[in-house]
Amino acid sequence: EAEVAQSPRYKITEKSQAVAFWCDPISGHATLYWYRQILGQGPELLVQFQDESVVDDSQLPKDRFSAERLKGVDSTLKIQPAELGDSAMYLCASSPNRGRRRTNEKLFFGSGTQLSVL
Amino acid sequence: AQKVTQAQTEISVVEKEDVTLDCVYETRDTTYYLFWYKQPPSGELVFLIRRNSFDEQNEISGRYSWNFQKSTSSFNFTITASQVVDSAVYFCALSEGGYQKVTFGTGTKLQVIP
Repeated sequence: EAEVAQSPRYKITEKSQAVAFWCDPISGHATLYWYRQILGQGPELLVQFQDESVVDDSQLPKDRFSAERLKGVDSTLKIQPAELGDSAMYLCASSPNRGRRRTNEKLFFGSGTQLSVL
Repeated sequence: AQKVTQAQTEISVVEKEDVTLDCVYETRDTTYYLFWYKQPPSGELVFLIRRNSFDEQNEISGRYSWNFQKSTSSFNFTITASQVVDSAVYFCALSEGGYQKVTFGTGTKLQVIP
């Protein structure tokens, strides 16, 4: 079965450094999500793409976080500079949903990137 | 704004007991979808079920069953005859809007004791 690929699996960085995460969704999935999950909490949406366009980044701390999906396929999430409070699991998910068809298919999740900021 | 509440933070049951996980949601949309996901210790979220707002029929899948009640905005999940392998964190999620914005609850950690 096709999977959502994420790398790296673990990342340790120092405060003020830059860090980047990569996600490759299931082939053909138009919608891609980045979620942040702090230990003991539920996933919180950071940014959502429809193909190469951002459709929701209302919860993305734009002073330090950026995300792109240039060709509407894989995506990169960057943090610069990293802060201690950024330590969390960063989850990528994809869905075959396209546009406003409201089919609301299930999300397929990757294994996540566990970030530790020291 | 959409919101999902899972009031139970942690539940412990002895193997073979039944357990119900509660989920209450808030939305202004008339068309929306509800989901349950399981997150085992390995960390990857696994889809369990999806229901749309027009289908209040309860569903059973093996030892799992779901009770959807629009009148109380609840979508509860019951595991019958729990097993150790059911130990995980369970998330309820709400999807609404044309672009399918998905909001998760804070999760319920279930521990099944042998």
